Amino acid sequence: AQSVTQLDSQVPVFEEAPVELRCNYSSSVSVYLFWYVQYPNQGLQLLLKYLSGSTLVKGINGFEAEFNKSQTSFHLRKPSVHISDTAEYFCAVSKVRGWAGAQKLVFGQGTRLTINP
Amino acid sequence: DTEVTQTPKHLVMGMTNKKSLKCEQHMGHRAMYWYKQKAKKPPELMFVYSYEKLSINESVPSRFSPECPNSSLLNLHLHALQPEDSALYLCASSQDDLVRGLSYEQYFGPGTRLTVT
Repeated sequence: AQSVTQLDSQVPVFEEAPVELRCNYSSSVSVYLFWYVQYPNQGLQLLLKYLSGSTLVKGINGFEAEFNKSQTSFHLRKPSVHISDTAEYFCAVSKVRGWAGAQKLVFGQGTRLTINP
Repeated sequence: DTEVTQTPKHLVMGMTNKKSLKCEQHMGHRAMYWYKQKAKKPPELMFVYSYEKLSINESVPSRFSPECPNSSLLNLHLHALQPEDSALYLCASSQDDLVRGLSYEQYFGPGTRLTVT
């Protein structure tokens, strides 16, 4: 089974500062990795994904993440945050399967990013 | 277009009512999902449909009844709910490649905020 740990439940940051949200996962098989963002009273929006290939993944809104297989991590970074980045961020994994059938996403507990002026 | 739509946005129902939540996507995705999300928690998977067939039921109480009338639509029928069922209900969809046995990232709708009185 897979599990995801988001090491920080809350991260306060000043506007225009850099930020890193940490995500570690556990799995005995190969996985796909995702970061989703949830703004207040909204659904989840896909920020970025790692399916295969380059371990540095760029997403929307200036975010990027790096897949580190040896450390089983997929940390999310942004060099300069804005007030509008205030939201809940979820890291998620799913198994890379060799058979058809829908996937199960395993979510971390979420990190609340608060940007202060 | 990566849009998943859900109706209604808000729903208040009594414990004896019968209501339905609706979800629609036109991305050609063949996997569709229902999630339940409580405040400050990650989404919890309820049901998965793959090619219009129920693929996963996460031991959800029978007062929740899913239905997939066609490849674009997903319904969740509600009956005799309890106050603890109050939550944000999210629908998602993903591409599901039967030939290569792969499934990809999920796209979420905005959710239905359900209150059971």
